Amino acid sequence: GAVVSQHPSRVICKSGTSVKIECRSLDFQATTMFWYRQFPKQSLMLMATSNEGSKATYEQGVEKDKFLINHASLTLSTLTVTSAHPEDSSFYICSATDRANTGELFFGEGSRLTVL
Amino acid sequence: KQEVTQIPAALSVPEGENLVLNCSFTDSAIYNLQWFRQDPGKGLTSLLLIQSSQREQTSGRLNASLDKSSGRSTLYIAASQPGDSATYLCAVRRSARQLTFGSGTQLTVLP
Repeated sequence: GAVVSQHPSRVICKSGTSVKIECRSLDFQATTMFWYRQFPKQSLMLMATSNEGSKATYEQGVEKDKFLINHASLTLSTLTVTSAHPEDSSFYICSATDRANTGELFFGEGSRLTVL
Repeated sequence: KQEVTQIPAALSVPEGENLVLNCSFTDSAIYNLQWFRQDPGKGLTSLLLIQSSQREQTSGRLNASLDKSSGRSTLYIAASQPGDSATYLCAVRRSARQLTFGSGTQLTVLP
């Protein structure tokens, strides 16, 4: 299957700082990428959908100024958690669907964010 | 609003046993259904994708079925192995943005 890579896999930061997480599709062009958040022992919660070259669409309750999403190319989307607080600590996962849009979703390995 | 339920929430079986994981959904107007496995602290690995026009998909020891009319999908794992231990998630997709995950079944295969 197609490969989606996320970086970093783990990040620890101080409260008030900003953290950027990258999501790359390695062997296909991703017209659409999704960002999820997962709390311990819970399923994934969709945060936003990003399409290459356009603004992201955020789900209800997700602060767009808090979670900045950029999808500048067909292989890269970034999520920036701005002015992070301890409650932002979570597991963030991205996924992508290919240009042919077969409908299959491919997920990154996830990024564990810990805000001290 | 689509709701996806997975039963059981946790399952423990001895190695070699065949097992079935269940996924049910409330809205049958789906685009596709996808089964994933998630290991602790890791992302999701796609196992099988079933388009709405299909009834089943097979990959190795895995077989997934889809019955849209009854809002059900099953994931059959044959001859389970300790390496199959993980959380299995089903996700129902209605559109590009409308993807709903079940809460998962945590599988433990005992050696």
